[in-house]
Amino acid sequence: DTAVSQTPKYLVTQMGNDKSIKCEQNLGHDTMYWYKQDSKKFLKIMFSYNNKELIINETVPNRFSPKSPDKAHLNLHINSLELGDSAVYFCASSHTGYTEAFFGQGTRLTVV
Amino acid sequence: AQSVSQHNHHVILSEAASLELGCNYSYGGTVNLFWYVQYPGQHLQLLLKYFSGDPLVKGIKGFEAEFIKSKFSFNLRKPSVQWSDTAEYFCALLSYYGGSQGNLIFGKGTKLSVKP
Repeated sequence: DTAVSQTPKYLVTQMGNDKSIKCEQNLGHDTMYWYKQDSKKFLKIMFSYNNKELIINETVPNRFSPKSPDKAHLNLHINSLELGDSAVYFCASSHTGYTEAFFGQGTRLTVV
Repeated sequence: AQSVSQHNHHVILSEAASLELGCNYSYGGTVNLFWYVQYPGQHLQLLLKYFSGDPLVKGIKGFEAEFIKSKFSFNLRKPSVQWSDTAEYFCALLSYYGGSQGNLIFGKGTKLSVKP
């Protein structure tokens, strides 16, 4: 059983399109995150949700809109995709009070 | 501002060589530190973590790290690397924001290539 699963694993799309990435965790965690890994492998927090409430929104363009329908899911919707959005997006989860984060397999987004 | 710096961008070793990857952090509060590994094409996996107590932390796969508060460092070590250790290694600092919520601040990673 995959603890943190993301779909799709690969996503190739044209500039200007709108796309979504889904994330689900079966670890019983109440905090979920989206991280972006750029072409130089640098990882940076984008969003954090705790019990479906937004906790962190780190200077991310408002074209990115996370949605958490319940504690086990955190989806990422991206409007009007740009070339610079090409990256690997990782979903992660942890318990409140944080001991460690568990990461999904990542979604490699390529905007052409 | 909180930050993590990893000194080496790319380290190339032969099998059985010893490994030390540098990590320095900048943070004035309680320090919680992690090392994650990312094998090619895979997700991040936790190698080890430091929250408190013994500054020498043992992790999985024979890795260990030493927290030295006076040097703001948390270097990763392994006495003898294997080809299968080829991966990207990330040092991370837990940044707290209000109460018990936190997120990870990552270093830029060190790519380790082990030659068979």
